[in-house]
Amino acid sequence: SAVISQKPSRDICQRGTSLTIQCQVDSQVTMMFWYRQQPGQSLTLIATANQGSEATYESGFVIDKFPISRPNLTFSTLTVSNMSPEDSSIYLCSAHDGPDTQYFGPGTRLTVL
Amino acid sequence: KQEVTQIPAALSVPEGENLVLNCSFTDSAIYNLQWFRQDPGKGLTSLLLIQSSQREQTSGRLNASLDKSSGRSTLYIAASQPGDSATYLCAVWGSGTYKYIFGTGTRLKVLA
Repeated sequence: SAVISQKPSRDICQRGTSLTIQCQVDSQVTMMFWYRQQPGQSLTLIATANQGSEATYESGFVIDKFPISRPNLTFSTLTVSNMSPEDSSIYLCSAHDGPDTQYFGPGTRLTVL
Repeated sequence: KQEVTQIPAALSVPEGENLVLNCSFTDSAIYNLQWFRQDPGKGLTSLLLIQSSQREQTSGRLNASLDKSSGRSTLYIAASQPGDSATYLCAVWGSGTYKYIFGTGTRLKVLA
């Protein structure tokens, strides 16, 4: 099984700033994903982080707001840009090598003032 | 577009009760369905994974069933304990896709 770590675990940011969240997997994985969980809500997929190419974004999410990098098979970053209070959420990184093996990071709790 | 709904949204039961959580999905073309547990402020823990060809899976006091044709899954928790208090999420992996779609979640509170 894979172990996923995220940094930071939580942060409080000012409106208009940007935050980059890091996701590290302890083994090489085929696919990595970024999810958002707004307060009291379920998980919504933001994008699939593709190694060596641009991320694939879900409807309602755009690259300018949530730029994603994936330089190798074990690491990805998600940036939340030009933040507003509506961006206050838990952001979760996920990785898998197929639909039967999905792993989740502990999440990053973001509060935007 | 796949949509996943969970009922009830919240549930409070006394310790020792057997309970059933429901998950329904609109597109029956799924590869598998997975139940997760999420504790407050934490990530997700996988509980049970059911392949589309399976009808149920069991782990300890947990039993999950799948009726793909009707677009339904249930999570049965026997002899509930206060430590079972958490949010339970189901997620479906659609055939021909490479991602999970999550349900709306059920917040469970088991009272001592």
